[in-house]
Amino acid sequence: DSGVTQTPKHLITATGQRVTLRCSPRSGDLSVYWYQQSLDQGLQFLIQYYNGEERAKGNILERFSAQQFPDLHSELNLSSLELGDSALYFCASSVRSGQETQYFGPGTRLLVL
Amino acid sequence: TQLLEQSPQFLSIQEGENLTVYCNSSSVFSSLQWYRQEPGEGPVLLVTVVTGGEVKKLKRLTFQFGDARKDSSLHITAAQPGDTGLYLCAGVGSGTYKYIFGTGTRLKVLA
Repeated sequence: DSGVTQTPKHLITATGQRVTLRCSPRSGDLSVYWYQQSLDQGLQFLIQYYNGEERAKGNILERFSAQQFPDLHSELNLSSLELGDSALYFCASSVRSGQETQYFGPGTRLLVL
Repeated sequence: TQLLEQSPQFLSIQEGENLTVYCNSSSVFSSLQWYRQEPGEGPVLLVTVVTGGEVKKLKRLTFQFGDARKDSSLHITAAQPGDTGLYLCAGVGSGTYKYIFGTGTRLKVLA
């Protein structure tokens, strides 16, 4: 158990819908990262927050947005969903922001029908 | 764009064999991490290498960081079915805060 929690574990929705994925980092970690992993693919970095502020942006679509709240939990919002958005979405956290280890949550499996 | 390329992409071996997985970049990384991911689970950190030329051992796994800190390798001795999984190298590209993952090596060890 990494200490990072993600909800929900599974999510099934339809095209065009909007969903919110939630992540609670390890106690004391200030950074939260979001990743997308499609079937049999590597991890694609989406976005990073550090202490409530956006720190780095990867290949995140404009239909996707995220935020980190004062209590340091984070939410990833996916809107106007398409079939291709079906994937595993992972959240990770680290103590600070930079070259330290990230600890991953169990992921949310999103299926868009 | 900084990339971490791993090779081989896929590897299927018999139990007891040795193998090496490579992680290469044209960029310098101040540190690299290796993770193992099992199907449907999040990646789990195996090791962090920091110093050029550093070698770290974790039971039957040996990790090495290249002298120029542009590459790393993972060697598994006497592979076991429990070693099966996706192996990922990762690190922060110099000059950015973006944490980059390698392309991954999918290992299957057959009993």
